[in-house]
Amino acid sequence: DAKTTQPPSMDCAEGRAANLPCNHSTISGNEYVYWYRQIHSQGPQYIIHGLKNNETNEMASLIITEDRKSSTLILPHATLRDTAVYYCIVRSALNYGGSQGNLIFGKGTKLSVKP
Amino acid sequence: NAGVTQTPKFRVLKTGQSMTLLCAQDMNHEYMYWYRQDPGMGLRLIHYSVGEGTTAKGEVPDGYNVSRLKKQNFLLGLESAAPSQTSVYFCASSTSGVFNYGYTFGSGTRLTVV
Repeated sequence: DAKTTQPPSMDCAEGRAANLPCNHSTISGNEYVYWYRQIHSQGPQYIIHGLKNNETNEMASLIITEDRKSSTLILPHATLRDTAVYYCIVRSALNYGGSQGNLIFGKGTKLSVKP
Repeated sequence: NAGVTQTPKFRVLKTGQSMTLLCAQDMNHEYMYWYRQDPGMGLRLIHYSVGEGTTAKGEVPDGYNVSRLKKQNFLLGLESAAPSQTSVYFCASSTSGVFNYGYTFGSGTRLTVV
């Protein structure tokens, strides 16, 4: 799996958009970008994923650059409950049981949403 | 709909003791995973299973064994616990095949080895 680089921490004011960057310059053609978050002491929670087009769901938006070497997770109106560690992970979507389909976590970005 | 359930939630072991952590999922997922998380670190994959009766090693398999005798259960065993195995253990499950969309994680087991 391609390695990802994320800032170790970020702050965001409550009600404002939180923009979390991720670099994945060695991503290959069949690899997707996934985002998970982990609220303190809980298991990670899936947020969103994408290949090359921008994606949006009820939780967040994912913007992937045209060259696919970086992406940004956007929480449009951050709340205090969005305080968590956010993980950007690149992996193959072709999960036929080999290790290429496994999620490999880095250290993520600790997002602190402040009132 | 319970999702992924881990038992126990907390455990303290003495060095050299053995124990088994149980993970159960009710979503009929093919794949299951065991991760450990140490303070300030991301999750590291210990072992995983792509189906009943099959297991494979992840990033940090040493000191652990696993079994998947039933599709819904994935057991993680520590034969002789060591202080270095003090950690929070997370189990996860996912669907199989092309376009595996996401993992569902359990709430974790906090293990302390003294």
